[in-house]
Amino acid sequence: GAGVSQSPRYKVAKRGQDVALRCDPISGHVSLFWYQQALGQGPEFLTYFQNEAQLDKSGLPSDRFFAERPEGSVSTLKIQRTQQEDSAVYLCASSQGRVTYEQYFGPGTRLTVT
Amino acid sequence: DQQVKQNSPSLSVQEGRISILNCDYTNSMFDYFLWYKKYPAEGPTFLISISSIKDKNEDGRFTVFLNKSAKHLSLHIVPSQPGDSAVYFCAAKRTGNQFYFGTGTSLTVIP
Repeated sequence: GAGVSQSPRYKVAKRGQDVALRCDPISGHVSLFWYQQALGQGPEFLTYFQNEAQLDKSGLPSDRFFAERPEGSVSTLKIQRTQQEDSAVYLCASSQGRVTYEQYFGPGTRLTVT
Repeated sequence: DQQVKQNSPSLSVQEGRISILNCDYTNSMFDYFLWYKKYPAEGPTFLISISSIKDKNEDGRFTVFLNKSAKHLSLHIVPSQPGDSAVYFCAAKRTGNQFYFGTGTSLTVIP
């Protein structure tokens, strides 16, 4: 497709499980972002890639969160030992250039930790 | 610490009238501002933006105004249409690629 896709769309995990969320950006887009959006809040920055390089991971809330983009296209956000406060929508966005103005968002993955 | 604030969680407007959505920010280092529109179960979509060197940007029915001295921006939609009903997020960016989003305003345009 032409847009950013994310999978799965919905994920239910039991507390303590590991999860992996996938993002397929728009083909050729250099920059890729991950955001966490809690209920009733705006998206909060987690991390940013330029091609395969993770240039900013200052928003990752703990060392249980890990993101990678090994070939500069598809990205995976992994959360280890999930906790209830990890429940949120995880949004991925991509943009064409190295300096980003307009971002294109995927539909998000809704993670529920029970 | 919320650096971008949207103090109105919701707004209702009659079709054909003007919708005004407001956003305040605290960081004077922000140099670019954007508005995104979000429908349920979809990701935000880019609507309009403005650089900090301008005070107005217009695109069709949408106009964004920036008041740097007040650290305030607003989005005007004229005329409002039922299809404009969505959640609107204000976002700000400083040098680098980290974006800060507000909490959103839910706009309902009443036919």
